[in-house]
Amino acid sequence: GAVVSQHPSRVICKSGTSVKIECRSLDFQATTMFWYRQFPKQSLMLMATSNEGSKATYEQGVEKDKFLINHASLTLSTLTVTSAHPEDSSFYICSARVGGVGETQYFGPGTRLLVL
Amino acid sequence: AQTVTQSQPEMSVQEAETVTLSCTYDTSESDYYLFWYKQPPSRQMILVIRQEAYKQQNATENRFSVNFQKAAKSFSLKISDSQLGDAAMYFCAFTLRAQKLVFGQGTRLTINP
Repeated sequence: GAVVSQHPSRVICKSGTSVKIECRSLDFQATTMFWYRQFPKQSLMLMATSNEGSKATYEQGVEKDKFLINHASLTLSTLTVTSAHPEDSSFYICSARVGGVGETQYFGPGTRLLVL
Repeated sequence: AQTVTQSQPEMSVQEAETVTLSCTYDTSESDYYLFWYKQPPSRQMILVIRQEAYKQQNATENRFSVNFQKAAKSFSLKISDSQLGDAAMYFCAFTLRAQKLVFGQGTRLTINP
């Protein structure tokens, strides 16, 4: 149980285009989902916390207008990178928290974004 | 603010032997949760073990066990009978109830055959 999927696993896009990444909890309902960014050989950096039916809470320094997060249902959250630029190239990971199970977060497999 | 420190950037161990990864944290709260996550080369974050602070008993999952010292704010991970598949980056993490995870910097574990 507690499987989180993420799609796509890899995406290459041209500078200036927008890219949408989906995060789904497959076998449980997640009231809270999280979006992280990870640079090579570094720890995970939290970008935002997403609660179903409400606006996401962004971490300091994360541009809300560039990284749009939508949490439309208890099993789906999306991250849209708008007007992507090469510096947005990174590994993006989502997670979903299982309420009542020791605050555990289960992670998706990640999405590698390359902006040319 | 809560912080998590992993003082060992890299560790290596011979296959079948035991290795311990260190983690310390700082908090003024008494009710919290601690985790060890594993990130293999695939980069999928995998939950290894979880510990609730209110539980005195150390958590165990097969070959993985923790030494939770609440007063010392220490949460080390012991891997017994190390296997080649244990090679990964290991992250220690902390959270309060309904709050975000705070990660350590990670420890890269190499298993020597």
